[in-house]
Amino acid sequence: GENVEQHPSTLSVQEGDSAVIKCTYSDSASNYFPWYKQELGKRPQLIIDIRSNVGEKKDQRIAVTLNKTAKHFSLHITETQPEDSAVYFCAASAYNNNDMRFGAGTRLTVKP
Amino acid sequence: NAGVTQTPKFQVLKTGQSMTLQCAQDMNHNSMYWYRQDPGMGLRLIYYSASEGTTDKGEVPNGYNVSRLNKREFSLRLESAAPSQTSVYFCASSEVQVTEAFFGQGTRLTVV
Repeated sequence: GENVEQHPSTLSVQEGDSAVIKCTYSDSASNYFPWYKQELGKRPQLIIDIRSNVGEKKDQRIAVTLNKTAKHFSLHITETQPEDSAVYFCAASAYNNNDMRFGAGTRLTVKP
Repeated sequence: NAGVTQTPKFQVLKTGQSMTLQCAQDMNHNSMYWYRQDPGMGLRLIYYSASEGTTDKGEVPNGYNVSRLNKREFSLRLESAAPSQTSVYFCASSEVQVTEAFFGQGTRLTVV
C-alpha cells in the first residue's frame, strides 16, 4: 500500500517568515494530495489540495507544489502568522482507492 | 448542517470490555472512514466504506469491526478492548473517493 513520509516533524519560525513542509509518497498511482490543518484539540480540516494533473496550486498565503516524477509534494506558507500554529498533515490517495494515507504530521509554531 | 457527528466524545474502558463508536453525517456523502490518531503517527485508516453496503479494511483493522448501517451512519466496534487501542478516533466522510474528507470532532478513548 501507499506510504507517505513527512518532514520535518516540528518547525518553528518567526512571524512573517515562510514555512515549508515536505512529503514523499511511494505509490505512483496516487493522484490526489490534500493537506490538513489540525489545531490543538480540534478536528483536521482541509486547507488545500492538488491533483496529479497540476504542478502547483495557490490560495492566498498557502501554496502546494507537486513533482510526480520524484513523488514528492510540498506545502508553502508565506507571511506566517501566530494563528498558523498547528499540526499539518499531508496525505495521498489514488482514484478509485479509498485507502488515503496520511503523513505523521508537522507541528508548526509561529513565534510572534 | 451538523456535518459529521461522533459519539461519545470521551470514553474510559477496562481491558476486555466492548463498545461501539457511533458516527453520522448529514452531507449525503457516499464514503465514510474511521481513523485513529496516535502521537507521532498521524492518522491511520482502520476501516472505510466506499458506499452504502460495502466496507473494507484499512491500514490497521485488527481488533475492530464496522457496520455501515445506512448512507448516514458508520459505526466502529471494539469487541474486547486492549490498552493498545487507547487513542483518539476520528470518523470522516467524503462525497466520493479522492475528494475532501470532513472529520468529526473525535472520540478520546482510554483503555485501562
